[in-house]
Amino acid sequence: GEDVEQSLFLSVREGDSSVINCTYTDSSSTYLYWYKQEPGAGLQLLTYIFSNMDMKQDQRLTVLLNKKDKHLSLRIADTQTGDSAIYFCAESEGGGSYIPTFGRGTSLIVHP
Amino acid sequence: ETGVTQSPTHLIKTRGQQVTLRCSSQSGHNTVSWYQQALGQGPQFIFQYYREEENGRGNFPPRFSGLQFPNYSSELNVNALELDDSALYLCASSGQGSYEQYFGPGTRLTVT
Repeated sequence: GEDVEQSLFLSVREGDSSVINCTYTDSSSTYLYWYKQEPGAGLQLLTYIFSNMDMKQDQRLTVLLNKKDKHLSLRIADTQTGDSAIYFCAESEGGGSYIPTFGRGTSLIVHP
Repeated sequence: ETGVTQSPTHLIKTRGQQVTLRCSSQSGHNTVSWYQQALGQGPQFIFQYYREEENGRGNFPPRFSGLQFPNYSSELNVNALELDDSALYLCASSGQGSYEQYFGPGTRLTVT
């Protein structure tokens, strides 16, 4: 089975908050990431959280981590049409190579 | 500071042929990772190079090979192309020991 799972689609109205959820299976995950991919482009690292943290806030982005349930979420406040993209959750262990394992991505559609 | 660049942007090959994809790292980065992203999927790790040596490999057959050059640029070579090799190939660079990877825009490979 997949190591990282996400729902495939999310549709929100402009100005609302978006919450994208992710679950992972690897207990030794040390770093958890959120990447954004716009059409025809590569991946952009949005934010990350260490496994010893519960929450991280960065401007409109809030990441929540429930390590017990292996659940990660990304909240985007005041969602804009420019936020429409595919969002990937990823996890990696430590140890130097930091190779992330990605989920399939959640396609966020923001409509006016 | 130049970001990660990849060439070519698009490529069409026939089954059985060989292909070489190229990547230039972000300035100051000595680690390069390659990923395959099939349509509707998250990126899958192919391999990583650090100081011209392979530093980790995902679940890909030996016909996927790579090189890293002294200037830290990199190539991905795929022999005996199969239809399932059609995908977006992403290159990412990072500094030594860094968990932050910076992705290029990718090369879209179509195998017919």
